[in-house]
Parts: sequence; structure tokens; C-alpha cells
Amino acid sequence: GAGVSQSPSNKVTEKGKDVELRCDPISGHTALYWYRQSLGQGLEFLIYFQGNSAPDKSGLPSDRFSAERTGGSVSTLTIQRTQQEDSAVYLCASSEGQLSGNTIYFGEGSWLTVV
Amino acid sequence: AQSVAQPEDQVNVAEGNPLTVKCTYSVSGNPYLFWYVQYPNRGLQFLLKYITGDNLVKGSYGFEAEFNKSQTSFHLKKPSALVSDSALYFCAVRLDTGRRALTFGSGTRLQVQP
Repeated sequence: GAGVSQSPSNKVTEKGKDVELRCDPISGHTALYWYRQSLGQGLEFLIYFQGNSAPDKSGLPSDRFSAERTGGSVSTLTIQRTQQEDSAVYLCASSEGQLSGNTIYFGEGSWLTVV
Repeated sequence: AQSVAQPEDQVNVAEGNPLTVKCTYSVSGNPYLFWYVQYPNRGLQFLLKYITGDNLVKGSYGFEAEFNKSQTSFHLKKPSALVSDSALYFCAVRLDTGRRALTFGSGTRLQVQP
């Protein structure tokens, strides 16, 4: 596809369950980002992948959150033992490389509701 | 550390009037500045960016922004607002070194009245 693709677009899960959110970046983009947008709040950086380099995990809020990127393309964000405060929109983005001037393009987001 | 401030939670403007959405930044180094727009229940769409060169940057949908280094500002402007411009606008900054992720402002909701 032409843009960043995320799935599922909506997910309702019970508290304590694990969830996986998937991101397929724009073809050829080596940099991939995950952000979280909570209701009424701004955008919170979670994690950044660039090529084969070690990811920047400095934004992950707790050890219940993890992410991987296989083959330098698709990424999965995993939230273990979900809590109600995890309810948010999870946005994935990608860019051509790590140059600071590169534009970062966002997907439509995965809306997570923990009940 | 880097930060972005959007001092107005909401901006109201009448259709056809000029609009300004304010953004100021704080960085140690050379900033790269971005504006994104978010329509209801959608992801973020890129509008424009400043990297270097001309301080006036033109972007999508008739928007422009002016980089002012002395005032550390990057305000978003449009000469004539449309009702369809009503959305949530985010300013973001990234440095040329160090952390590669964008740091976003808190967002400004633009409401254009017919």
C-alpha cells in the first residue's frame, strides 16, 4: 500500500489480557516509530527502530510494553496484562531514514479499549 | 532536552478570515520543525516542515509557517480559513543530533465558523 498500515483499527479487550498491534510501514522506509495518544492528551513517544540498530525504547511506560520489528519491515507492539489506563490510540509512523529532516508519515492508528 | 509549546488549546476563526496557530520550541541545537493535522478519528497528516533555508515554508492545503529563530517560534498560518480546516493541529520538533523521534506539542483545536 501507499501509506502506513495498522491493524486492528479497533480492539476491545478485557483487563489483564495481552494484545498485539501490528504496523506495516511504507515500503522502503527504514525508520519506524510507535506513539500513544490518550484521550485529551498529546502524543507520547514509545519506541523507535532504525534499520538493524538497537531500538530506542526510552518511551515505553512499563515492562508490560514491548515491540519488535522483524526483517526490518513489519512491527508488532505487544501490551501484556492490559490495564484500563492503556486505553488509547496507538499510532505507528515511518520515515525513509534517520535524517532529522526526513518527513515522518503516520498510520490511521489502532484504537485500544480496555474494559 | 527539547520541548514544544502550543499555548492555545483552541482557536476560533470565521471562514474567510486569516488564521494563526502558535508554536514555540525549546532546543539545544538546530531544530527541525513540523506541523501535522489530525481530523476526527484519523491519524496525523503531514502539512509542512522547516529544515533550513527560507524562513517561510509553504505546505499542503494553502498552509504556511514562518520560522523565527530569535523568538523560537514556528507559527502556522493561512490567509483565508475554510470550514474544512477545522481539526486538531500539532507542532513538533526534532534535533539534528541525538533522539530521532519527534517531540510534539499538546495540540491546538482549530474551529472555523461558517
